[in-house]
Amino acid sequence: GAVVSQHPSWVICKSGTSVKIECRSLDFQATTMFWYRQFPKQSLMLMATSNEGSKATYEQGVEKDKFLINHASLTLSTLTVTSAHPEDSSFYICSASTSGAHKGQFFGPGTRLTVL
Amino acid sequence: AQRVTQPEKLLSVFKGAPVELKCNYSYSGSPELFWYVQYSRQRLQLLLRHISRESIKGFTADLNKGETSFHLKKPFAQEEDSAMYYCALSGQAAGNKLTFGGGTRVLVKP
Repeated sequence: GAVVSQHPSWVICKSGTSVKIECRSLDFQATTMFWYRQFPKQSLMLMATSNEGSKATYEQGVEKDKFLINHASLTLSTLTVTSAHPEDSSFYICSASTSGAHKGQFFGPGTRLTVL
Repeated sequence: AQRVTQPEKLLSVFKGAPVELKCNYSYSGSPELFWYVQYSRQRLQLLLRHISRESIKGFTADLNKGETSFHLKKPFAQEEDSAMYYCALSGQAAGNKLTFGGGTRVLVKP
């Protein structure tokens, strides 16, 4: 089956620093990758949609300058949380999709970010 | 705008009993509906999608466009079915991105 990995699985950083999270599709080429945020005991909230070679599309209310997304290849997308603050602490999950969402999305294991 | 509603946050049933997770949606177009499951300490994974009309792990779901529902059912729940279940909707008008419901936690008691 399609496997998506994320690195790191958890990270603790100081307020004001930047953190990069990687999302890789291991055995397929992902035309589209998605980044979600999940707060404790809540559902997934889509942050942005990333297509290889083009700029990411951000959801309303998500600051594109704070959450930088790069999708340089068909197997790698990165999310950089810039100048992180404690309120950015959350569980960040990526997913990858082949052409069209009708086949569903394949999810990474998530990255737990804690900002001190 | 597309929206997915899962009215039950928690469903607790005994092993062998039927279980039904409700999902209602709003979408102005032809939606694609999915059920995702997240077992404890595992990643979210696709359980089934309406276009496949398949049964996975004994679960089935039928899209009812008249009632805008996509309820998930299993006639005999097993303990290993205990997990978090999310209903999700995707539509071409929204660029094929997924909108998730709030999730329903299923607890199957022995």
